[in-house]
Amino acid sequence: GAVVSQHPSRVICKSGTSVKIECRSLDFQATTMFWYRQFPKQSLMLMATSNEGSKATYEQGVEKDKFLINHASLTLSTLTVTSAHPEDSSFYICSARDLTDSYSNQPQHFGDGTRLSIL
Amino acid sequence: KNQVEQSPQSLIILEGKNCTLQCNYTVSPFSNLRWYKQDTGRGPVSLTIMTFSENTKSNGRYTATLDADTKQSSLHITASQLSDSASYICVVSAIRNDYKLSFGAGTTVTVRA
Repeated sequence: GAVVSQHPSRVICKSGTSVKIECRSLDFQATTMFWYRQFPKQSLMLMATSNEGSKATYEQGVEKDKFLINHASLTLSTLTVTSAHPEDSSFYICSARDLTDSYSNQPQHFGDGTRLSIL
Repeated sequence: KNQVEQSPQSLIILEGKNCTLQCNYTVSPFSNLRWYKQDTGRGPVSLTIMTFSENTKSNGRYTATLDADTKQSSLHITASQLSDSASYICVVSAIRNDYKLSFGAGTTVTVRA
């Protein structure tokens, strides 16, 4: 089945550091990838939609200058948390949709998430 | 208000027993409903996906039902195993907006020996 690889799985860093998270579709191409944030015992919250070759679309309330997204190829999207602070600590999950899937009824494929802890 | 509500928030069952999780939604116009299993510290994994015309779908010991009229779905776990301990998330998408998924908060299932 379709596999989405997310790296790193866990990051611990000091406040003020910028952190880059990678999301790769390993055996399929994805023109669209999605970035979510999940706090403990809460739903996944969509942060932004990443489109290959164009600017990402951010959800309301998500700072685009804080969370930089780059989707440089059909298999890779990156999320950079710039000047991270303790309140940015969360579980970040990416997902991708197979380019060859029919329009509906196909599940998005999720990565295993990145646990970000800012000290 | 969340468009997808799940109940119970959590439950504990003994190994070998069955359980049923509920999902009510208000997403409209409805496209499809998916159940995902999310292990702690991992990403969600798809269990089932159902469209408007489908009433039930099974994946091994997992059986999902859908009543599009009442906008309710359930996920039934049969003969639970310790590995079933996870969060189960109901996700609904709307027609013409299939990329945007509405997530429930999940039901945390703990299976004890």
